[in-house]
Amino acid sequence: QVQLVESGGGLVKPGGSLRLSCAASGFSFSDYYMSWIRQTPGKGLEWVSYISSSAASKYDADSVKGRFTISRDNAKSSLYLQLNSLRVEDTAVYYCARVVVYAVDQSTWYFDLWGRGTLVTVSS
Amino acid sequence: SYELTQPPSVSVSSGQTASITCSGAKLGNKYFSWYQQRPGQSPVVVIYQDTKRPSGIPERISGSNSGNTATLTISGTQVMDEADYYCQAWDSSTGVFGGGTKLTVL
Repeated sequence: QVQLVESGGGLVKPGGSLRLSCAASGFSFSDYYMSWIRQTPGKGLEWVSYISSSAASKYDADSVKGRFTISRDNAKSSLYLQLNSLRVEDTAVYYCARVVVYAVDQSTWYFDLWGRGTLVTVSS
Repeated sequence: SYELTQPPSVSVSSGQTASITCSGAKLGNKYFSWYQQRPGQSPVVVIYQDTKRPSGIPERISGSNSGNTATLTISGTQVMDEADYYCQAWDSSTGVFGGGTKLTVL
């Protein structure tokens, strides 16, 4: 079964850290770029980060740059997001998503498979 | 930073056509994808590269990009189409989502 399953969310104090995981199954994980996308409760979607299939390329949203780090372990078919220096505004459901890299032109990319998400709550 | 603007809400009578717009700078140079998110569920791609439908998405859902505005059109709208819809594009290696549009089917 083709799926993505996130884990690692929870309640953390401002300034704290958390590590999210995403377990992929049912497809060749090492062939795909992957991304993290978050959704504030009751609000819209915000792209967070992506990583290339070999981990050679990574990009982050300005809102998380320097605080969050995306990584992957192709041998374990797993994607990770290390969240440091957490702020109240980082409270959200974090989704893991598979990226279809249709061509070199990045504008052709899209997210074709999403997990169910894991909730991160930052509160004192 | 790049921004995409969507109307917060659109209402349509059952069986009629709903159009959801997405506006931003330099739209003509970009491809757009659209995501449907039903209450309590994860987003699902319904349109990619402006006009293409993934397998399993009904033909009554279509997309277009005129250069100034990207549009998601749902013909013969059904209750099952009631959801939040998000447009998405890439700009300078970063992903950008529109603010989302809540589609209500009356």
